[in-house]
Amino acid sequence: QKEVEQDPGPLSVPEGAIVSLNCTYSNSAFQYFMWYRQYSRKGPELLMYTYSSGNKEDGRFTAQVDKSSKYISLFIRDSQPSDSATYLCAMTRSITGANNLFFGTGTRLTVIP
Amino acid sequence: EADIYQTPRYLVIGTGKKITLECSQTMGHDKMYWYQQDPGMELHLIHYSYGVNSTEKGDLSSESTVSRIRTEHFPLTLESARPSHTSQYLCASSDPREQFFGPGTRLTVL
Repeated sequence: QKEVEQDPGPLSVPEGAIVSLNCTYSNSAFQYFMWYRQYSRKGPELLMYTYSSGNKEDGRFTAQVDKSSKYISLFIRDSQPSDSATYLCAMTRSITGANNLFFGTGTRLTVIP
Repeated sequence: EADIYQTPRYLVIGTGKKITLECSQTMGHDKMYWYQQDPGMELHLIHYSYGVNSTEKGDLSSESTVSRIRTEHFPLTLESARPSHTSQYLCASSDPREQFFGPGTRLTVL
């Protein structure tokens, strides 16, 4: 069983839609949860970072972590064509031991104008 | 934008050639990483370093080798490239909270 499961999509939505991206995981020791955004022909860049359970909001983006269900989500409100990218979830037990960062496969999102 | 650079960005090479993928960062980070990324697959860590003269293999077995003689430089070498090495190679460095990724090198071995 993979440590992290993520629906690869692809996902196409019209501009202005609310997008929900999700990951599940199996290791209850994960404490730090991240969402990376990767544009075509670029490296991933950190979008959201959450410690333990709860919600975190940053502009149009909201990250949710439900540790009891081992489920994390990223919501994008009022989606824009510039949001078109691959979104990768990542998680780890210890933020200082970044050699044990586990990634999902990524979900490719296209926002249609 | 992160100051981490990778060269070349694209490389097409024949089987048996020796290649070195370059990675440099100007952020003074001690920790650096090499990942392999294939379509539809998760990023796999192949090498990491916690500082000068420190290198470790990651969770994905790789025939490549790395060196860390200077803090800012973390090159990856394949002594004899094979078609199975065809992939996207991503270099990263990190501060205590975040990993910063380079743009990647797309390697094709014919």
